[in-house]
Amino acid sequence: EAGVTQFPSHSVIEKGQTVTLRCDPISGHDNLYWYRRVMGKEIKFLLHFVKESKQDESGMPNNRFLAERTGGTYSTLKVQPAELEDSGVYFCASSQGGRFRDSSYEQYFGPGTRLTVT
Amino acid sequence: GENVEQHPSTLSVQEGDSAVIKCTYSDSASNYFPWYKQELGKGPQLIIDIRSNVGEKKDQRIAVTLNKTAKHFSLHITETQPEDSAVYFCAAGHFILTGGGNKLTFGTGTQLKVEL
Repeated sequence: EAGVTQFPSHSVIEKGQTVTLRCDPISGHDNLYWYRRVMGKEIKFLLHFVKESKQDESGMPNNRFLAERTGGTYSTLKVQPAELEDSGVYFCASSQGGRFRDSSYEQYFGPGTRLTVT
Repeated sequence: GENVEQHPSTLSVQEGDSAVIKCTYSDSASNYFPWYKQELGKGPQLIIDIRSNVGEKKDQRIAVTLNKTAKHFSLHITETQPEDSAVYFCAAGHFILTGGGNKLTFGTGTQLKVEL
């Protein structure tokens, strides 16, 4: 079974530019999450999709961040315009749907996208 | 909201010794406590988890303990090996009734180094 994949692995952009990150969850996983780790700090929750619906977007920093999950499969996270403080590693994770109550707890992470804003 | 504190931030042990990483959480509604291992250049990998209805869980050389009253949980690695060297994260979450899944709050990570 393929794991969570993310693209690109690295992105270097200038302040004010736009970047779009992509996440492909494990096939069949209804839950998809975005997290971010800023240098040396904790991994922070950004938002949670259940299929194509946003379940919780309380961690999104501001309206420069837009996440979508059309069709309930892959997801994109767009940052527009990017600021210096947006630099960090963006992780995507997925877990099974609510009908598998026990296994829906377990989140599997992708390798992350390292974003550097200069 | 939930707040998770993790100690120590760095831990160096000799091969074969035990390593213990401790975390505390603040939200009594949290009922799920996973531990992740992150190796260089890779994403966090789930290595073990514990739910609030048990106090201890073991899987080969790793074990987790949970004290709900004190709101703390720990990761124990016995007979450490060089390949255990990595950053370890604890997290706390609770099951979401509508749709499933959960929102995890992470600690700041522990850099474990196992020396030969």
